[in-house]
Amino acid sequence: EVQLVQSGEALVQPGGSLRLSCEASGFTLRGYAMYWVRQAPGKGLEFVSCINGNGGTTYYGESVKGRFIISRDDSDNILFLQMGSLRSEDMAVYYCARGESLLSPFDFWGQGTLVTVSS
Amino acid sequence: DTQMTQSPSALSAFVGDRVTITCRASQTITKWLAWYQLKPGKAPKLLIYEASMLKTGVPSRFSGSGYGTEFTLTISSLQPDDFATYYCQQYHNYWTFGQGTKVEI
Repeated sequence: EVQLVQSGEALVQPGGSLRLSCEASGFTLRGYAMYWVRQAPGKGLEFVSCINGNGGTTYYGESVKGRFIISRDDSDNILFLQMGSLRSEDMAVYYCARGESLLSPFDFWGQGTLVTVSS
Repeated sequence: DTQMTQSPSALSAFVGDRVTITCRASQTITKWLAWYQLKPGKAPKLLIYEASMLKTGVPSRFSGSGYGTEFTLTISSLQPDDFATYYCQQYHNYWTFGQGTKVEI
C-alpha cells in the first residue's frame, strides 16, 4: 500500500528555518517525481517544489525560489523540504505528493503538515 | 504561466443532486488536467486525470470532460461523502491549480 507520512506540526519564528519530511512506503522514491504543495489559511493550493525520479531535476515556485530546497534520502526513502528565511506568508499546510513523472498528476498525497510562522 | 479559473467558488446542493464544476485555462493545456478532492485534515485525493480518466477506485458518479481550455467535473448524484472542496490542476505547463469549489450541504 502506498503511504506518505509527513512530519508533525511546526512553529517557527519569522526569518527562521525548518525542514519538513515525508516518509514514503509501498514504493521507491527513485522511481517517481515528488512534489510539495501548500495551502495557506483560506486559500487554494499552490505548487511549491518538485524533484524528478533520478533526482537530477528540481523546480520551485516563484514565491520560494532561493529560500527552499527539495531533496530526498533514497536509502531511507524520505523526501525533504528545507525551508529558510521564513515569512508570515509561508504559513500553510504543506503536502507532499507523488507523480509518475513530471508530466503526471499527483496520484498519492500525504496528510499534510501545518507550519505556523509567528513570533 | 497558465492560470486556472474555477467556478463557482462555492455551491450548495442536496444529496442526489447533479453537480457541475467548471475550470478554464488561460491557454491550451490539451488534455493535461486533473481534479482533486480535499477534506479538512485528510490527504487530498486524485479523482480524474487526463481530463476524463477516472482513477481506479473512484466512484463512477464522478466524471470529467473537456479539452484545450474548457473543462468540467460532474458528480451525477451527490452523496454525503462528496461534501468537500474540489480543485482542478493543469500539468501541461508546470503545475497550477484552480481556486477551488466548496460543495456544501
